[in-house]
Amino acid sequence: TQLLEQSPQFLSIQEGENLTVYCNSSSVFSSLQWYRQEPGEGPVLLVTVVTGGEVKKLKRLTFQFGDARKDSSLHITAAQPGDTGLYLCAGVGYGQNFVFGPGTRLSVLP
Amino acid sequence: DSGVTQTPKHLITATGQRVTLRCSPRSGDLSVYWYQQSLDQGLQFLIQYYNGEERAKGNILERFSAQQFPDLHSELNLSSLELGDSALYFCASSTTGTGYGEQYFGPGTRLTVT
Repeated sequence: TQLLEQSPQFLSIQEGENLTVYCNSSSVFSSLQWYRQEPGEGPVLLVTVVTGGEVKKLKRLTFQFGDARKDSSLHITAAQPGDTGLYLCAGVGYGQNFVFGPGTRLSVLP
Repeated sequence: DSGVTQTPKHLITATGQRVTLRCSPRSGDLSVYWYQQSLDQGLQFLIQYYNGEERAKGNILERFSAQQFPDLHSELNLSSLELGDSALYFCASSTTGTGYGEQYFGPGTRLTVT
């Protein structure tokens, strides 16, 4: 069974700080996606990373896929209150099955 | 608004009952995915359909079943409901049948089993 772990589970920071959240597995994935979910709503896709070692940037967010395709990180620069939410990583296995991590709940205080 | 619609938004029912959740994908999307999200288990992938056929299966209980109709809308049937089935059920759609496609999630159906 493929499992994804995310750390930290909770993170509360002040506006303007930088942060990194992690997504780890012992399994290899064909691709990995990051989503943000706000209370009462469905997750919204932020990025898909496909190639080992790949780095993608989305404004103040930087995503990296590990060389071995087993882990990923999300770095946010100068966090803003609008970044508050649940960040989920999702791995896509070679059998086309999807596995979501438990999420990192981020709170950015003004 | 993702373009994915789910009905009903809320559902309250008793143990042992059967319910049907409905999902309409974005226009042009052929894939539909169903997920269960509960507080203690996170987002669990249940099943995927692509153009009417089952494409991938996750942690879906035997009491649950799904189908995708020719007009591409999908239904998730939950039977012999238990208290532990109380959760948010999300539907997502994408254009492709592979994991590379962006998934667009609906607003979810909150199921409460009493």
